[in-house]
Parts: sequence; C-alpha cells; structure tokens
Amino acid sequence: EVQLVESGGGLVQPGGSLRLSCIVSGFTFSSYWMSWVRQAPGKGLEWVANIKPDGSAKYYVDSVKGRFTISRDNAKNSLYLQMNSLRAEDTAVYYCAQHSGSYNYWGQGTLVTVSS
Amino acid sequence: QSALTQPASVSGSPGQSITISCTGTSSDVGNYNLVSWYQQHPGKAPKLMIYEVNKRPSGVPDRFSGSKSGNTASLTVSGLQAEDEADYYCSSYAGSNNPPWVFGGGTKLTVL
Repeated sequence: EVQLVESGGGLVQPGGSLRLSCIVSGFTFSSYWMSWVRQAPGKGLEWVANIKPDGSAKYYVDSVKGRFTISRDNAKNSLYLQMNSLRAEDTAVYYCAQHSGSYNYWGQGTLVTVSS
Repeated sequence: QSALTQPASVSGSPGQSITISCTGTSSDVGNYNLVSWYQQHPGKAPKLMIYEVNKRPSGVPDRFSGSKSGNTASLTVSGLQAEDEADYYCSSYAGSNNPPWVFGGGTKLTVL
C-alpha cells in the first residue's frame, strides 16, 4: 500500500521558517519525481515545487523562489520543504505527491499557518 | 486567478451524466497530453481520477472518462452517484512556462 505522510506544519509568525517532511512507503521512492502542492483555505490547488528522482533538478513556482527549498533523501524515503521568510499568503495545507506526468499519490497534508 | 478555467459548479441528478470543462491555452492543454483530473472530498486529499487526458488509474470506476479538443479538456461522469459529489480539479503540463504545472480553479459537483 502506498503511503505518504507529511509532518512539520504549524503556526509561525511572518518572516519565520518551517521545515516540512514527507515520509513515503509502498513504492520505489528513488525512481519518481516528487512535488509539493498547496491549498490555501477555501481555495484551489497550487503546484509549489518538484524535484527529480536523483535530486539533481528542482523547480519552483515564482512566488516561492529564493524562499523555499525542496530536497529529498532517497535512503530515508523522505521529501522535504524548507520554507523561509514565510508570508501570510503562504498559509495553506501542503501536500506531498508522487509526480510522473500526474500527481498519482498524495499525502494527507499538513497545515501551515503564517500569522502574528 | 488559476491558469486553467473551470466552471465553479455543476450539478446533476443520480443516474445522469455531467461534463466539466477545463480551458487552457496552446501552451498547456493544447500542446501536451498531460492533462489529469482530481477528485477532492471535503477535508480530504485529492485523488487522481484521470491521467494523460483519458486514462483511468486502477480502481477508478469506468463512469469517469476524459477527453480533449484543442485547448479544452473535459471530464465526464456518467451514472452519477451520491458519492461523486466533490470538488474536481484539472491539471496540465505547461512546458517552459512558470509554473510548468498548472491547475484549474476547481469545480464543485453537486448531486441533486
């Protein structure tokens, strides 16, 4: 059974930092692109970033470039999102997803709230 | 504003068919067969329903089908059932644009 479990969300002040984690099981993690997708409260889905299977290429939506860093540890079947200089507009549920042309499997999401 | 345009809501009675459109441009939907559709129930994670325009993952009922014409993709749900009531999102690859992966704004399907 494929499972993706996110953690690390919470309440943070504007300008603060958080590191999200996603632990994966049930498929060969090192063979797949992985993505972070977020959903602001009551809003639609937004692709945030993705990373190549070997970690050699990373892509970001313009609004998070220079602030967020996606990474992975294939030995630990883990995906990460380091989020710095957080803004109110980054408030959302963050999902990790296996990505191969489509988002095939999703985690349950972790809520990030940026507020003073 | 989402890159792909979907109707905000659609509705149908049990047993009927509905179609949700997803309109993009020649840079995304019209140029790649990497259109996918997701179902999301309240408080739950999205679930892949259709990939590569018209392919169904294992376990997705054949009542769900996808198609594409020009810059517009469509999701059709036949034989509507109460459990189909959910939000539906389309997504497409957009190549060298940023972002390279785009979503529609979502459509609320109501089963009357």
